[in-house]
Amino acid sequence: GAGVSQTPSNKVTEKGKYVELRCDPISGHTALYWYRQSLGQGPEFLIYFQGTGAADDSGLPNDRFFAVRPEGSVSTLKIQRTERGDSAVYLCASSSGSEGGYTFGSGTRLTVV
Amino acid sequence: QKEVEQNSGPLSVPEGAIASLNCTYSDRGSQSFFWYRQYSGKSPELIMFIYSNGDKEDGRFTAQLNKASQYVSLLIRDSQPSDSATYLCAVSRTGFQKLVFGTGTRLLVSP
Repeated sequence: GAGVSQTPSNKVTEKGKYVELRCDPISGHTALYWYRQSLGQGPEFLIYFQGTGAADDSGLPNDRFFAVRPEGSVSTLKIQRTERGDSAVYLCASSSGSEGGYTFGSGTRLTVV
Repeated sequence: QKEVEQNSGPLSVPEGAIASLNCTYSDRGSQSFFWYRQYSGKSPELIMFIYSNGDKEDGRFTAQLNKASQYVSLLIRDSQPSDSATYLCAVSRTGFQKLVFGTGTRLLVSP
């Protein structure tokens, strides 16, 4: 596609529920990143995929968070037993793997009530 | 100490002036430096990246890097009201792995 696509754009869920956030990267981009951004803060790194494998998952806050990219394209961020503190904008980005930064999608705003 | 520090602002400048945005970082292993612009309610948009000490110019934007002082800046010449946004500084040990972001500086350009 022309840009990084994230769905849904907004998600409201109840505390304790399971959610899945989807990211469709720019076609051909091998690297995919998940960040989350809370109000008034910069994006915070969660996980980075190179192809199908997680090259760096050091930013995942705990074992309730998990992400997959089974075919090296679309990725899903999964959050179990959601907590109110998980409320944030979840941003996905992709790159071709070369130097020069990467392109963010429009984000998924997750609200846990 | 935060890994990447920015003054939260707001930085207010009149239209046509030069806006100077600053950023310091703590990791001496950082090799790649990025400036992103983020409009309210939107996602970050890459403006510039710089890897070498000195200046890099792109249109009205100039990025400046001083690795010895662990300091990065962004100059915006001929500021326009449409430049009003939050500017995020980000650093990385490589150009294509994780970025560490500052909290951003809010810039307000008044007509």
